[in-house]
Amino acid sequence: KAGVTQTPRYLIKTRGQQVTLSCSPISGHRSVSWYQQTPGQGLQFLFEYFSETQRNKGNFPGRFSGRQFSNSRSEMNVSTLELGDSALYLCASRPTTGNTGELFFGEGSRLTVL
Amino acid sequence: QQPVQSPQAVILREGEDAVINCSSSKALYSVHWYRQKHGEAPVFLMILLKGGEQKGHEKISASFNEKKQQSSLYLTASQLSYSGTYFCGTAYSGSARQLTFGSGTQLTVLP
Repeated sequence: KAGVTQTPRYLIKTRGQQVTLSCSPISGHRSVSWYQQTPGQGLQFLFEYFSETQRNKGNFPGRFSGRQFSNSRSEMNVSTLELGDSALYLCASRPTTGNTGELFFGEGSRLTVL
Repeated sequence: QQPVQSPQAVILREGEDAVINCSSSKALYSVHWYRQKHGEAPVFLMILLKGGEQKGHEKISASFNEKKQQSSLYLTASQLSYSGTYFCGTAYSGSARQLTFGSGTQLTVLP
């Protein structure tokens, strides 16, 4: 069974640009969550999608948005990039929503903002 | 609210034991534990549910103290492969869906 796939793995952008990251969950998984990981901050929750609906949202500005498609693939978008947006963005999937299930993480998309 | 993990880092020799704590100021519903090796994705270790029993996986076990709103991860007779950053993720009663992670504990096992 293929794992969670994130693309691109690495990207470099400049301030003010926008970026779109993609996540393909494990086949059959309908919940996709996004996390931002920076040194010393751990994993900061961005949002969770389930069946194309946003179920939860973390404490991030409106520049961070996401969506989920009917095949459960998800994208997140960051507009008007700032230097502080440089981070590893992790996607995680699980069969259903709720917190009693194991999260399966992808290897992440490392974003560098110059 | 982000749970507090302690210690932030620990170095030990192969065969030694370690304990990592995860504390919350809010009533916990469940606690997840994950390990992330450098450059890799976090990998699930175990989940502890409110009212549940202590869970274990080989030489790694964990407990959930509801009174203290704290979970502890126990690594017994550490192996080199245990090195990595350990994260606890907490879900709170009333907001059960969202998982909030601590800032991590970096564990280094030396030969």
